[in-house]
Amino acid sequence: GESVGLHLPTLSVQEGDNSIINCAYSNSASDYFIWYKQESGKGPQFIIDIRSNMDKRQGQRVTVLLNKTVKHLSLQIAATQPGDSAVYFCAENRGAGSYQLTFGKGTKLSVIP
Amino acid sequence: NAGVTQTPKFQVLKTGQSMTLQCAQDMNHNSMYWYRQDPGMGLRLIYYSASEGTTDKGEVPNGYNVSRLNKREFSLRLESAAPSQTSVYFCASSGSTYEQYFGPGTRLTVT
Repeated sequence: GESVGLHLPTLSVQEGDNSIINCAYSNSASDYFIWYKQESGKGPQFIIDIRSNMDKRQGQRVTVLLNKTVKHLSLQIAATQPGDSAVYFCAENRGAGSYQLTFGKGTKLSVIP
Repeated sequence: NAGVTQTPKFQVLKTGQSMTLQCAQDMNHNSMYWYRQDPGMGLRLIYYSASEGTTDKGEVPNGYNVSRLNKREFSLRLESAAPSQTSVYFCASSGSTYEQYFGPGTRLTVT
């Protein structure tokens, strides 16, 4: 989920298990949501996105779920691998049709070999 | 395609010095963005440019200026650096979709 202050929430997962990273968003007018992965020392990389007219979208080993009723987003990673270790950010657009994104504070995923 | 490139990768400044961070993209994107990233704070938008010739303030614009030099290039200038501007700076661009493509970042330390 989202962090408070300087401490990132951390999720530790055994290699091969599934991971679930959660995110709460605040703007009920947002109609686009996106997940980014950031490895140490690098810029964020796109993972998967979803529009507000959907509640689920699947990619390769990843699934994003959107619950607009409670303004909650989750990222599921199947069969987590060591290369999945990174900080994961959710982002929402700033209103219907807006191209500006507001980012969450991130969750650190650590995969235990 | 190189995507989004940023220079320099690292920079150390003394308080009061000025510098310009450079960003270029080769994806023919209309929109470009500057973010800063501080520990535990996620990414915060400093300035953005929706198209060539336009710039707008984001969430944390104080102490910064930007120039959209042409469609490819978007620079960020610190006129008088302060220790509070120590951060990692990311440039991003987007085209006709919402997805933003990020550069590798510039790590700036102000002493």
